[in-house]
Amino acid sequence: DAGVIQSPRHEVTEMGQEVTLRCKPISGHNSLFWYRQTMMRGLELLIYFNNNVPIDDSGMPEDRFSAKMPNASFSTLKIQPSEPRDSAVYFCASTFRSGTNQPQHFGDGTRLSIL
Amino acid sequence: AQKVTQAQTEISVVEKEDVTLDCVYETRDTTYYLFWYKQPPSGELVFLIRRNSFDEQNEISGRYSWNFQKSTSSFNFTITASQVVDSAVYFCALSEGGGAQKLVFGQGTRLTINP
Repeated sequence: DAGVIQSPRHEVTEMGQEVTLRCKPISGHNSLFWYRQTMMRGLELLIYFNNNVPIDDSGMPEDRFSAKMPNASFSTLKIQPSEPRDSAVYFCASTFRSGTNQPQHFGDGTRLSIL
Repeated sequence: AQKVTQAQTEISVVEKEDVTLDCVYETRDTTYYLFWYKQPPSGELVFLIRRNSFDEQNEISGRYSWNFQKSTSSFNFTITASQVVDSAVYFCALSEGGGAQKLVFGQGTRLTINP
C-alpha cells in the first residue's frame, strides 16, 4: 500500500517567492496533519484537518502560512512570501480518526531552503 | 498543557550493548496515548509503538521493549543487543484522548551505535 506522499522532496527558492508543498494522505485516512521540524524548535504541529475541515491551526506561525484540503486525497501548505527563517523540513502525516488515537503515518518530508 | 521531555540529547554506545531511552510526559487528561517514532539518517519518521493510558503492560518486540509507568509518568524504550542499524533519532510523543489527535513530541534522543 502506498504511504503518505509528499512533493517536492527538496525545494530551494529565494526569499519572497511563493512556496507550495503538497501531500497525498493514505487512502481511507480521514485526518491529516502538517508538522515542521527545525533544530531549534524540534517537531511542531502547524495545522490538522479532520474530514477535510481545518480543526486546529494554532501552530501556523503567521499569516504568510496557509493550508488547504480541497478533498480527501490532497492537501497543500503554502508560504507566501517565504523568508529564510521558514527553512525547515515539513512533514505531512495522516491517520484514521477514531476514539482510540491511531498512530499517524508520516511522509518522507519536504526539505525547504529559503535563500 | 501537554509536555514530553527526553532528557538525553545524545547517547553513544558500542554495538551489542543494551541502551535505554527515557521519556517523561505531562498531561492533565486521564485518557491519553504515548508513541515512539524512529527517524533514521534518511530522515523519514517511522512509527514504532502506541500505548494507551489504561494499559500499563510492558511490551516486547524482538530486541525492542517498552516500560510504561503511570506512577512516574514515564514511557521508556530499551534496545537490547544494539546494532549499528539502530542508529537514529528517537522521538517520544503524546496525544490526549477524546478524538483530538495532535501529537506533542519530545526533543528527541540521537542514538549512535558504534561498531
